[in-house]
Amino acid sequence: DQQVKQNSPSLSVQEGRISILNCDYTNSMFDYFLWYKKYPAEGPTFLISISSIKDKNEDGRFTVFLNKSAKHLSLHIVPSQPGDSAVYFCAASAFGNQFYFGTGTSLTVIP
Amino acid sequence: DAGVTQSPTHLIKTRGQHVTLRCSPISGHKSVSWYQQVLGQGPQFIFQYYEKEERGRGNFPDRFSARQFPNYSSELNVNALLLGDSALYLCASSLVRGGYEQYFGPGTRLTVT
Repeated sequence: DQQVKQNSPSLSVQEGRISILNCDYTNSMFDYFLWYKKYPAEGPTFLISISSIKDKNEDGRFTVFLNKSAKHLSLHIVPSQPGDSAVYFCAASAFGNQFYFGTGTSLTVIP
Repeated sequence: DAGVTQSPTHLIKTRGQHVTLRCSPISGHKSVSWYQQVLGQGPQFIFQYYEKEERGRGNFPDRFSARQFPNYSSELNVNALLLGDSALYLCASSLVRGGYEQYFGPGTRLTVT
């Protein structure tokens, strides 16, 4: 039972454009959502998070949007840079006890 | 400051053998979680430890066990290895139990032949 889903395995975007990565979840008890970035041969790196009491959180070029009624969140990267090329994982947790990860989206930013 | 460290980096074992993986959290972090990541999938939660006690367990068989030491480092043990245990094993630490911001180590790549 995949409680967090990332339906797009890959995404290619031109440098300078917006990258939008999507994530859906099924468990309405999730109260915190996170995005991680992963380069090959490294562990995931925390990128940005959002609490379920908010609908938007922004950190520099990265913005996460949460739509609780649709059980959907998205990560926007503006402007996209070649160094952003990596696998992005969406994760969710209920009270920090267990984290559920999506299967990842491989982002390629084309110079 | 050192990040989360894991050892060994790579490991090759034979079916039926036992393996121990090690993790040292970021200094000051008291919670350690273990994840299994098979190729093409996201990390899957195995255990969470806080103050040397198991605080959460994912859907893994009893062949998987772990412990946390007084210095907050942790070991993951897997008995009777199966081919399907081949994966990247990730350790993550957080400041407190239920800490949402976890910091991951580079992982241990386990290959079972």
